[in-house]
Amino acid sequence: DIQMTQSPASLSASLGETVTIECRASEDIYNGLAWYQQKPGKSPQLLIYNANSLHTGVPSRFSGSGSGTQYSLKINSLQSEDVASYFCQQYYDYPPWTFGGGTKLELK
Amino acid sequence: EVQLVESGGGLVQPGRSLKLSCAASGFTFSNYGMHWIRQAPTKGLEWVASISPSGGSTYYRDSVKGRFTISRDNAKSTLYLQMDSLRSEDTATYYCATDRGAGVMDAWGQGASVTVSS
Repeated sequence: DIQMTQSPASLSASLGETVTIECRASEDIYNGLAWYQQKPGKSPQLLIYNANSLHTGVPSRFSGSGSGTQYSLKINSLQSEDVASYFCQQYYDYPPWTFGGGTKLELK
Repeated sequence: EVQLVESGGGLVQPGRSLKLSCAASGFTFSNYGMHWIRQAPTKGLEWVASISPSGGSTYYRDSVKGRFTISRDNAKSTLYLQMDSLRSEDTATYYCATDRGAGVMDAWGQGASVTVSS
C-alpha cells in the first residue's frame, strides 16, 4: 500500500498570508493526487485533482503542484473561510485509496 | 445539483449489524463508481469500500473484508453498506462519495454517524 505523509499536522496563519501544505508519497504516484478541504462540522470537498487541476468552483487562490513523491497545496491570500482541515489522497495505485493524515489550518 | 444523503447510522453493540444507505440525486447514478469513506472522531479519512458503476466489481480495505458488503441499486439510485460483526474500531462518521474517475472523490454526502459500544 502507498503511504501518504502530510506536513505540518497543524498550521496557524494570518489573513492575507500565503500558506503551503506538503504531502509525500511512499513511492512515485505519477500525479495521481487529489486535495480535499473539510471545514469544521462539514463533509470533505474536492479542491484539486491530478496534482494541479482545480475542481469546478474552487477559488483560484488555491493551487497544487509537485511530481513523483512530493506534492504541495498552496493557498494565496488566506481568507477566513479557508479555516479547515486539508487532506491529500493518492489514486495512482489502488485499492486501497489512501489519504494523508491531514493538516489543520487555523487563523493566527 | 449532485446530492448524496446517507442514512441508517446509530448506536450498535459490538458484534451486531447495521446497514447504511446513500440516496443519490442530480446525476446519472448508474454511470459512476461509488465509495464509502469513514472518519473516526477527531481523526483523518479512511477509505472503506468501493463499487463499480454496474456493481460487478467491489473493493474493500483489509480490516473490513468479510464483515462489510458494499452494494447498489441503480434503479433506486441508492448505495448501501452492510456492516456485520461490528467492532469498537468501526466507530466513525461514514461518508458516501462519487468517483469522477480513478478514485477522485468529487461529491460527498453529509455523513452518517456509527457508534459501536456496549
